[in-house]
Amino acid sequence: QQQVKQSPQSLIVQKGGISIINCAYENTAFDYFPWYQQFPGKGPALLIAIRPDVSEKKEGRFTISFNKSAKQFSLHIMDSQPGDSATYFCAASKETSGSRLTFGEGTQLTVNP
Amino acid sequence: DAGVTQSPTHLIKTRGQHVTLRCSPISGHKSVSWYQQVLGQGPQFIFQYYEKEERGRGNFPDRFSARQFPNYSSELNVNALLLGDSALYLCASSLPHTDTQYFGPGTRLTVL
Repeated sequence: QQQVKQSPQSLIVQKGGISIINCAYENTAFDYFPWYQQFPGKGPALLIAIRPDVSEKKEGRFTISFNKSAKQFSLHIMDSQPGDSATYFCAASKETSGSRLTFGEGTQLTVNP
Repeated sequence: DAGVTQSPTHLIKTRGQHVTLRCSPISGHKSVSWYQQVLGQGPQFIFQYYEKEERGRGNFPDRFSARQFPNYSSELNVNALLLGDSALYLCASSLPHTDTQYFGPGTRLTVL
């Protein structure tokens, strides 16, 4: 049972453009939603995270938008750069499960110069 | 500051063998979690340990086991390896009662 669905599977944008990756979850008990960035051969690195009590969180060029009623959240990368080319994963966890993360399938982002 | 470290970096085993993977958490982190990442997929939760006790187990067979030591480092053991166990095994650590997990670089296991 896939509890977190991520789309698109791959994304190509031009330098300076906006990259948008979407995730939908099923379990309403989830209360923590992080996004991770992973480069080939490396472990995932935390980018930004949000809790359901806010609808948007921005850190630099990265913004999470959260829609609790639709059970959806998205990552926006503004002014995308070639160095942003990586695989992005959304994830979710619930307080009662400790730090157990449920990940989406991943989006491979390519930013062309 | 040192991040999460894992050893070895790469490992090649044959079917039926046993493997032990090691993880050292960030200093001060008492919780360690293990994930399996098959190529092209998101990480899947295997175990969480906190204060040397198992606090969570994912949907993995009993061939998978783990433990945490007094210094909070951890080992993941896999017995009777199958071809399907080939994956990147990730370790993550976190502070007590926090959600943020920090991942290590992983151990790439290949089963032939």
